Amino acid sequence: GAVVSQHPSRVICKSGTSVKIECRSLDFQATTMFWYRQFPKQSLMLMATSNEGSKATYEQGVEKDKFLINHASLTLSTLTVTSAHPEDSSFYICSARDQGATVRLRTDTQYFGPGTRLTVL
Amino acid sequence: AQTVTQSQPEMSVQEAETVTLSCTYDTSESNYYLFWYKQPPSRQMILVIRQEAYKQQNATENRFSVNFQKAAKSFSLKISDSQLGDTAMYFCAFGRSNSGYALNFGKGTSLLVTP
Repeated sequence: GAVVSQHPSRVICKSGTSVKIECRSLDFQATTMFWYRQFPKQSLMLMATSNEGSKATYEQGVEKDKFLINHASLTLSTLTVTSAHPEDSSFYICSARDQGATVRLRTDTQYFGPGTRLTVL
Repeated sequence: AQTVTQSQPEMSVQEAETVTLSCTYDTSESNYYLFWYKQPPSRQMILVIRQEAYKQQNATENRFSVNFQKAAKSFSLKISDSQLGDTAMYFCAFGRSNSGYALNFGKGTSLLVTP
């Protein structure tokens, strides 16, 4: 199947610091990656759509200067939480779409990473 | 905006029995995709089944099948021969084809399969 990795799986940081989360598609190329946020016992909320080589598209209410997204290659997207505060503590999940080069995968389906638990003290 | 509604926060079913999870959605789009994802305690999102809106035939994947009623904007998931490993949170999702298939998720249904 399609494998998407995230690193780190868990991170604890102090308030005011920045944290970078990596999302990689391991066995396919992804022109589009997505970042979601999930609070405890809640659903996934789309934060932004990340397109390789272009600026990310942020959902309404998501601060683009706080959540910096860089999709520098077809297999890597990063989310940087800048000047993190306790209210940014959450579970962050990325997903990736195959661009169509892999016959076994569907281009309209997202494949999810295992998530990153961020705790800001 | 597309909204996805899952009206059953929690459900329980005995092993080997059949259970149906409901999902309704609201959209003005004609071309879209619908998905059911499973999230076990590990929190890894796992695709269960998908349905293209332009297809009338209901999708099936082994023990999982959907009842897609486009006019009613309903997309329920039926799990047959429930297994203990089916215990998880199930999310219904709407895929927006005009935005790279970004997903709008419902609030989820927590399914517990009991022995």
